[in-house]
Amino acid sequence: GDSVTQMEGPVTLSEEAFLTINCTYTATGYPSLFWYVQYPGEGLQLLLKATKADDKGSNKGFEATYRKETTSFHLEKGSVQVSDSAVYFCALSDQGDYKLSFGAGTTVTVRA
Amino acid sequence: NAGVTQTPKFRVLKTGQSMTLLCAQDMNHEYMYWYRQDPGMGLRLIHYSVGEGTTAKGEVPDGYNVSRLKKQNFLLGLESAAPSQTSVYFCASSQTVYNEQFFGPGTRLTVL
Repeated sequence: GDSVTQMEGPVTLSEEAFLTINCTYTATGYPSLFWYVQYPGEGLQLLLKATKADDKGSNKGFEATYRKETTSFHLEKGSVQVSDSAVYFCALSDQGDYKLSFGAGTTVTVRA
Repeated sequence: NAGVTQTPKFRVLKTGQSMTLLCAQDMNHEYMYWYRQDPGMGLRLIHYSVGEGTTAKGEVPDGYNVSRLKKQNFLLGLESAAPSQTSVYFCASSQTVYNEQFFGPGTRLTVL
């Protein structure tokens, strides 16, 4: 079945540091890929998405590229801020499937 | 436009008690979902609905029941709560299976 594996946290960074969170997936079809973010005490919000190979999703300075050859969708940000402290979830939705398959989540803490 | 709302925000139950979690959305979305979030496991789908009057099982449906009598509401019931159901429960909705899912703020449930 479909599954998502993302790097374990927690990750602690200083402000303006570079952030990478690795995400790889297994899917039977041609999935859409997502990054969701959960700020403390809140629900999940869509951060970015990509629906086909080589697509790049971007939002709020975050980027991720859909790499079919390596089945990966790594999240990157060049210069993090304290406000980026959150839990980040990689997820996929396979063709015709109603559900999202989530990774375990990566907790990111950015220190001033 | 409130988006997705959940009631209650917090609840403590004793083993064997019952309760209903209410999810409401004002976006006229067809699809609605109930997830549970447990540490290190990401989100797992409990039940979902593809339209008013329909429900279907997700990954972890045992011990839960759902109803979708009105398009805007999706209820999750626990008939006899168990400590293993201690979790954070999220409701989500989407217009189609290919669209972004919008999440509610969550309900933190503790079963003693």
